[in-house]
Formats: sequence, structure tokens, C-alpha cells
Amino acid sequence: GPKVLQIPSHQIIDMGQMVTLNCDPVSNHLYFYWYKQILGQQMEFLVNFYNGKVMEKSKLFKDQFSVERPDGSYFTLKIQPTALEDSAVYFCASSSLGDSAETLYFGSGTRLTVL
Amino acid sequence: GQQVQQSPASLVLQEGENAELQCNFSSTATQLQWFYQSPGGSLVSLLSNPSGTKHTGRLTSTTVTKERRSSLHISSSQTTDSGTYLCAIEEGNMGYKLTFGTGTSLLVDP
Repeated sequence: GPKVLQIPSHQIIDMGQMVTLNCDPVSNHLYFYWYKQILGQQMEFLVNFYNGKVMEKSKLFKDQFSVERPDGSYFTLKIQPTALEDSAVYFCASSSLGDSAETLYFGSGTRLTVL
Repeated sequence: GQQVQQSPASLVLQEGENAELQCNFSSTATQLQWFYQSPGGSLVSLLSNPSGTKHTGRLTSTTVTKERRSSLHISSSQTTDSGTYLCAIEEGNMGYKLTFGTGTSLLVDP
């Protein structure tokens, strides 16, 4: 079936540095999402993105976070600067429409460790 | 905000037994999805079921919207069913802002 690819699968970074998480969404999808899961805790919504703009973001989406999808390439989540509490697995998802009646496809996640 | 509670927190079965997983939520949901999260962490959508009963393969989901609960029944469990089952709710109708439950960890022994 359709696949969302996330690169890299693991990333270790020193606190204060910048990190970019990459997501290759399903090819004809137009809506993109990031979710965050701290080890042992619930998956939580970060942001959704459509037509080059953030549609909605949660309180977890701090000022240090940004998303973009330049020229139809990867959908990225950038954290600058990183903090210890940013350590988590970040899941990218995509859908063809923003309608919650359709299926949302998730990637396998990027495990980010901030030291 | 929306709260999603799942029970049991963990479940151990012998292969071939059936499983019944529960999801309760605090506010009206326009959409409800069940996901499977593998031991490696990847997430797969199993069913979308905001109301009524839906079947796919060995899975049956029943959602009673006015009672704010949903169940996922897994029949004839297999060792490959082991993993975490997540219930997620969408409150609105403009894009996916899912609220996830804490999950049920299922272990199926051979």
C-alpha cells in the first residue's frame, strides 16, 4: 500500500544544535502532519500543513519548530535550537484530503535523541 | 480537551484466543480510528469507525457514539498480532488533529 518514508530513522544530536527531520509523503497527498511520541507516553499532535502553510498547531509546536515542503520535495520538521525535552519519536503522516473520514498514512518515525 | 482512555493497559493471550480492547473518550468524536503500533514503532491504520460496527479480516470494531466508547475485537489471535493497539479520536472535521489513547499492549504467546 501507500508508504510514508522518514529519514533518518534515528538521529542523535547535542543540545542547542539544529536538526531537520525529513518525510517523503505518499506521492499524491496534499495534507501533511507531524506527531510526537515521548517514550512510554501518548502520541501527540504537533502540526498540520497544507498548500505551503501551517493550518493548525498544538502547544507542543514551540517557536523553535518550523515546517516546510519546498518545491514538492521532502516535508521537513526543523528544530533550532534543540532542547533535552525534544527527545522523542517524531511521526510524519499524510493524507490526500484534510477530511478525517479518509485514511491517514503514517511513517515509521524518526527517533531523536538530544544529549 | 479530549481525553481518550484505553483498557486494559496490557493483555497476554495464548494463540487462538480472542481479544477485546476498549476505548472511552470524553467528548463527541467526528472520527475514530484504531491503529496498530509494531514493537519496532511503526504505525498502521487498522479501521476507521466513528459509529456502528465495522469488520476487516479478524478485526471487528463497534463504536457507540452517544456512549463515547469503542471496542476492537481480535478473533483467533496470532503471535504476529503482538504489539500496541491505539485508539485515536478526531473532534473537528477540518484535517487530522487526532487525540491518541495510551494504548493496549498485546502479547500473544505461541
